[in-house]
Amino acid sequence: EAQVTQNPRYLITVTGKKLTVTCSQNMNHEYMSWYRQDPGLGLRQIYYSMNVEVTDKGDVPEGYKVSRKEKRNFPLILESPSPNQTSLYFCASRPAGRAVAKNIQYFGAGTRLSVL
Amino acid sequence: GIQVEQSPPDLILQEGANSTLRCNFSDSVNNLQWFHQNPWGQLINLFYIPSGTKQNGRLSATTVATERYSLLYISSSQTTDSGVYFCAVEGWDNDMRFGAGTRLTVKP
Repeated sequence: EAQVTQNPRYLITVTGKKLTVTCSQNMNHEYMSWYRQDPGLGLRQIYYSMNVEVTDKGDVPEGYKVSRKEKRNFPLILESPSPNQTSLYFCASRPAGRAVAKNIQYFGAGTRLSVL
Repeated sequence: GIQVEQSPPDLILQEGANSTLRCNFSDSVNNLQWFHQNPWGQLINLFYIPSGTKQNGRLSATTVATERYSLLYISSSQTTDSGVYFCAVEGWDNDMRFGAGTRLTVKP
């Protein structure tokens, strides 16, 4: 089954304690991205990756890091979480390239993070 | 970056009614998708529609790229249609931007 898997689904942590949210996809997609969802703001892109070892900042990259060492994995790292990073996070993947006929984006189930 | 505006922000319908959701965007796009977020938070792709018209059951969508808007039509609405509908667009910068969403509530 084609899917994007994020872990953990729920996480409560304290300010300053480094954490990693993992994301894995089994569709051999080149493009992966991270979003955060906050009430009234829709989803905002944090980082995206067009392929292995290629990452770029989205709209709200401050306070986050990513890496893309393998095609299937795209972890989101919060080196020193702060309360304003409390949010619902989504990982997504899709084929890359503008020639792709159906550039549909698939989302993980979400990770609800609370930073105290 | 591209600005995305969705309207209305909230919509309450009686079961069986029809509705139209609108998405305006500020620049040319090479990717436009409609998503439904169900009450459990799951995001499901409804349409990939950078231009033209598509239909899937009771749902259809039309994008007029030259006029920078897209419409999502829901006919004979059901309670399971409730949730938030997002429009997302991507320009040539590979940065996908979402609107703030339309929250739809369908009452039995």
